[in-house]
Amino acid sequence: AQSVAQPEDQVNVAEGNPLTVKCTYSVSGNPYLFWYVQYPNRGLQFLLKYITGDNLVKGSYGFEAEFNKSQTSFHLKKPSALVSDSALYFCAVRPSYSGAGSYQLTFGKGTKLSVIP
Amino acid sequence: SAVISQKPSRDICQRGTSLTIQCQVDSQVTMMFWYRQQPGQSLTLIATANQGSEATYESGFVIDKFPISRPNLTFSTLTVSNLSPEDSSIYLCSAVEDEAFFGQGTRLTVV
Repeated sequence: AQSVAQPEDQVNVAEGNPLTVKCTYSVSGNPYLFWYVQYPNRGLQFLLKYITGDNLVKGSYGFEAEFNKSQTSFHLKKPSALVSDSALYFCAVRPSYSGAGSYQLTFGKGTKLSVIP
Repeated sequence: SAVISQKPSRDICQRGTSLTIQCQVDSQVTMMFWYRQQPGQSLTLIATANQGSEATYESGFVIDKFPISRPNLTFSTLTVSNLSPEDSSIYLCSAVEDEAFFGQGTRLTVV
């Protein structure tokens, strides 16, 4: 069974400072990894994904994430935080094999990011 | 990327009634899913909506309580039946191409 851990319920960062939201995963075989953002009263918006290739993945709104296979991590980062980045962030994983259940995402519990002006 | 229209966006329902949520995708997609997000919680998969056949339910979710239809590759409905306050939650539909796209969610409050 696959699982995702987001060890921090909340991350506070000052505007302009770099931010990191942590994620570790467990999955059989190679992982497909995703980050989503949820603003209040909204659905989830796709930020970025890692499928294969370069370990550093760039996504929407200046976010990037680094895949580290040895540490089974996929931390979300941004060099300079904006107040508008304040939201709930979810890491998700699914296995890379094809077949029944392979498209089902398993989500972490979410990390609330607050960017302080 | 697929655009998903989900409605209603919110509703307040009486105990014992049912609510049907609709999800329309702007393109044909193979995989569609329904999730529940309880207040302050992560997303829990309810079921896979299979086109032309019965949905595949996850442990803890049953067809009598959460009947799902998927008549074609662009549309699905989720009904939450015999509502109780414990069903108060956000319900989200998802369509998968390379990555999953989500509707805006339906915030259900049962009174």
